Amino acid sequence: QVQLVQSGAEVMKPGASVKVSCKTSGYTFTEYYIHWLRQAPGQGLELMGRIDPTTGGTNYALKFHGRVTMTRDTSVGTAYMDLDRLKSDDTALYYCAREGLPLGGSSSYWFDSWGQGTLVTVSS
Amino acid sequence: DIQMTQSPSSLSASVGDTVTITCRASQRIALYLNWYHQTPGRAPKLLIYAASILQSGVPSRFSGSGSGTDFTLTITSLQPEDYGTYYCQQSYTTLATFGGGTRVDIK
Repeated sequence: QVQLVQSGAEVMKPGASVKVSCKTSGYTFTEYYIHWLRQAPGQGLELMGRIDPTTGGTNYALKFHGRVTMTRDTSVGTAYMDLDRLKSDDTALYYCAREGLPLGGSSSYWFDSWGQGTLVTVSS
Repeated sequence: DIQMTQSPSSLSASVGDTVTITCRASQRIALYLNWYHQTPGRAPKLLIYAASILQSGVPSRFSGSGSGTDFTLTITSLQPEDYGTYYCQQSYTTLATFGGGTRVDIK
C-alpha cells in the first residue's frame, strides 16, 4: 500500500534551517506530485508548495518564497523540504502529501495519502 | 488567492444526528472542492473529492454536494468516531487553499 514516512521531530534555534524528508513506498514515485503543508498548533492547514518528482520542478506559495526549497531523490523515492531563516512562528507540524491522480491525469487534484507529520519547534 | 470560508466553526451533535457543514469559495471553483477529516494527533484523511465523489473506504454516511462557490458536507447518522475537525480544500488553483475548519464534538 501507499506509504509516506517522514523524518523525526526537530528542535531548532531561530535563524537556523531545517530539512524534513518524506520517504515514499507502494507506488511509482515519479508519477505523482508531492505537496508540503504545515499546521501550527491549534490552527488549520497551510500549503507551502509542491514538487514534480519527475522533473524536480517546484511551485511555492508566495508566503514562503525565498525561504523554502523542495527537492527529491528519485533513486530512493524521497522528497525533501528545506525551510531557512526559521522564526518562532514556524513552529508547526509539517506534512507531505501525495496527489490522488498521476501527473497529467486531471487538472483537479486532492491529497489521498499523507505522511505522519514532523513536528518542528523553533525556540531559543 | 482563493479564500475558503467554512461554517460553522464548531458544532456539537448527538450520535445519530445529521450534521451539515458548509464551505464557500471567494470565487467560482466549479467542482474543484475536497473534504478531509482530522482527529487530534493524526494526519487529515480524504473523505470526498471533486465535490461529491466518496473516497474509497469512506462510509456512505458522508456525502458532498455543491458547485461554483457553495458546497456542503453532510454526515447522516453521526457516529462517535466522527468527532474531530473537518476541512474543505479548493484545487482550482495550482496551490490549494483550505477552509479554517469545523470542529465537531459528540454530545
